[in-house]
Amino acid sequence: TQLLEQSPQFLSIQEGENLTVYCNSSSVFSSLQWYRQEPGEGPVLLVTVVTGGEVKKLKRLTFQFGDARKDSSLHITAAQPGDTGLYLCAGRSNSGYALNFGKGTSLLVTP
Amino acid sequence: NAGVTQTPKFQVLKTGQSMTLQCAQDMNHEYMSWYRQDPGMGLRLIHYSVGAGITDQGEVPNGYNVSRSTTEDFPLRLLSAAPSQTSVYFCASRRRSSGNTIYFGEGSWLTVV
Repeated sequence: TQLLEQSPQFLSIQEGENLTVYCNSSSVFSSLQWYRQEPGEGPVLLVTVVTGGEVKKLKRLTFQFGDARKDSSLHITAAQPGDTGLYLCAGRSNSGYALNFGKGTSLLVTP
Repeated sequence: NAGVTQTPKFQVLKTGQSMTLQCAQDMNHEYMSWYRQDPGMGLRLIHYSVGAGITDQGEVPNGYNVSRSTTEDFPLRLLSAAPSQTSVYFCASRRRSSGNTIYFGEGSWLTVV
C-alpha cells in the first residue's frame, strides 16, 4: 500500500483566513485527486492532477501537484464557513486500479 | 439520475449475525468498489470489481464477501459480524475509460454490538 500522509490533521480558522493543506508520499503516483466530504455524505471529487508541477484553480481553491508526482497541496484563499469539511487526497499508481487515500484534514471555518 | 445508491443507511447487528449491504449504480460504470471509513484511518479499500463476474480483494478484505452478477449491483456481505466491523461503508463506481473520476454513495453506518 502506498501511504499518503496529510497534514495538518485538524485545522480551525476564522472566515477570511488563508490555509494550506498538504499531502505527501514517498511513492510516485500517476495522478492525485482531492475530495471534500461533508458529515453524513460520501466524498465528492474536487480536482484531479496528472502532470508533475501542475496547478489547477477552482474558484478560491488552488491545487498543486509536486514536480516528482509524490506530493500535492491545496490552498484556500479567504476561507468561508461553506468550506468546512473533511479534505481527502487520493493517489493512484500506474499499475493499480484502486485509489489510496490519506487520512484527511478536518477543516472548520467559523464566522 | 440516482448515481450510486446504498442501502441500508443505518444498521445495528449483533456479533455473529450476517447481513448484506446493497449497492447499485445506474451510470453503466464498469468499475465498482467498497471502502470502509474509520476515525483516523481514512478510506480503506475492501473489495473491488472491474466488471460483471470479476472481483478482487483490496486492502482489508477479511470478513467480507462480494459478488458482481450484473453491471449495476455490487453487494457486500458480512458472513459473521464482529465489533471490529463497526464502521461507515462507502460504495463507489467509475467508468473504465474516464480515468479517475470516482462517484461515491452516501454511506452505510454499521454498528456491531
